[in-house]
Amino acid sequence: GENVEQHPSTLSVQEGDSAVIKCTYSDSASNYFPWYKQELGKGPQLIIDIRSNVGEKKDQRIAVTLNKTAKHFSLHITETQPEDSAVYFCAASNGYSTLTFGKGTMLLVSP
Amino acid sequence: EPEVTQTPSHQVTQMGQEVILRCVPISNHLYFYWYRQILGQKVEFLVSFYNNEISEKSEIFDDQFSVERPDGSNFTLKIRSTKLEDSAMYFCASSAGLINTEAFFGQGTRLTVV
Repeated sequence: GENVEQHPSTLSVQEGDSAVIKCTYSDSASNYFPWYKQELGKGPQLIIDIRSNVGEKKDQRIAVTLNKTAKHFSLHITETQPEDSAVYFCAASNGYSTLTFGKGTMLLVSP
Repeated sequence: EPEVTQTPSHQVTQMGQEVILRCVPISNHLYFYWYRQILGQKVEFLVSFYNNEISEKSEIFDDQFSVERPDGSNFTLKIRSTKLEDSAMYFCASSAGLINTEAFFGQGTRLTVV
């Protein structure tokens, strides 16, 4: 089955800095890679996703890159704000089955 | 904005008791899921449900677990005889389709088995 590794487990940045979270996956059949943000006491919320037919996708301050050859994908958050503080999960799916999640990254943005 | 709702938000139960966790998926969604998250660990898939039957389940989803869609709106997860290790946050999710479509998650039910 699919195995998703996520690094780092915690990430502390100053407000305004950029944050990068990296994930690798094992199943070459995976073709859908969402990122979820989980705030305290809430369920995971999709913030951006990428499919295997593209290498990069941007949505305002958030971008995701995908390298299918190396089987890794990354989340980039620019101009971080305190409200970006949360746990971020990457996930992978082969499109026909369910999501396999990484272990999560706790992002702390200090004012 | 449509959302997945789960009840209760927190459930405390004694070991060996049965619990039912309830979910109301988004109304026009066809695929339903249960995931769980043990404190401090990753979110793990339990089961997916489509067309009134289980379409996929993980090794975690053993005979102690069952799912049901008793009516047109609710989706339930039953744990027949709870164990201490069942303590976790349980998330329900739903999606409109199966192929590369967004899964919307509920806010979770925290199950504590004592």
